[in-house]
Amino acid sequence: QSALTQPASVSGSPGQSITISCTGTSSDIGTYNVVSWYQQHPGKAPKLMIYEVTKRPSGVSNRFSASKSGYTASLTISGLQAEDEADYYCCSYAGSGTYVFGTGTKVTVL
Amino acid sequence: EVQLVESGGGLVQPGGSLRLSCAVSGFTFSSYWMSWVRQASGKGLEWVANIKQDGSQNHYVDSVKGRFTISRDNGKNSQFLQMNYLRVEDTAVYYCARANNNGWDYWGQGTLVTVSS
Repeated sequence: QSALTQPASVSGSPGQSITISCTGTSSDIGTYNVVSWYQQHPGKAPKLMIYEVTKRPSGVSNRFSASKSGYTASLTISGLQAEDEADYYCCSYAGSGTYVFGTGTKVTVL
Repeated sequence: EVQLVESGGGLVQPGGSLRLSCAVSGFTFSSYWMSWVRQASGKGLEWVANIKQDGSQNHYVDSVKGRFTISRDNGKNSQFLQMNYLRVEDTAVYYCARANNNGWDYWGQGTLVTVSS
C-alpha cells in the first residue's frame, strides 16, 4: 500500500493548461480503472473532481479532464484560473477493498 | 442538503482509545458504502477504512488493522470509528466520506485526533 507518486508542485499562468501525473503500479492503477481525483483548498475538505478515470461529477467545470495510460493517470486543467490554486490528490483502487492516495500536488497559478 | 458531521476527536495518550462518530443527513444512508480518510498536518490524504451498506464487509489500511474498527448504525444514520492502541502517527484530521461510483463525493469537515503524551 505505497502511495501513488505525484509531482510535488505544478504551476502555470492564467489561461494556460497544466497536467498532473499520478504514477502507480500493477497493483493499483495498472490493473483497475478506478482512479479518482480530488481538489483541496487550505483548511477545507477535499472535493471530488474526477471518478472512474475520466468522469466528471455534476457541477465540476469541464476545464478539468483526466486520462490513464498504463501505470499512470493524469489530470489536466485547461484555462487555468486563480481559483484552481489548491492541492490535488489522485486515488486508485488497490484490490481487496482497499484504496491508495497519491502524494499530492500543489498547483500554483502564477 | 447532504451533510456529514464528525465528532469525537480530541487529545489522547499513546496506547489510548477514541471513538469517532459521523452523523449524516440529506441522503439514504443505508444505500451507500462509507469511509474514513485521514490527513496528518501538512501531509497528504490516507484512506483508512470503509464499510458496506449493511455493515457486512469492511476493509482497512494495513497500518490500522487490528487496532481500528469501523461500524455503522443505519437506524441512526451514523458511522463510527473505534480507535484503540493509538500511536503518535495516528495524529490527523479524520474525515467521514460517502463512497459513490468509486469515488468519495461528499465529505465532512473533519475531526482532529491528537495522540501525544
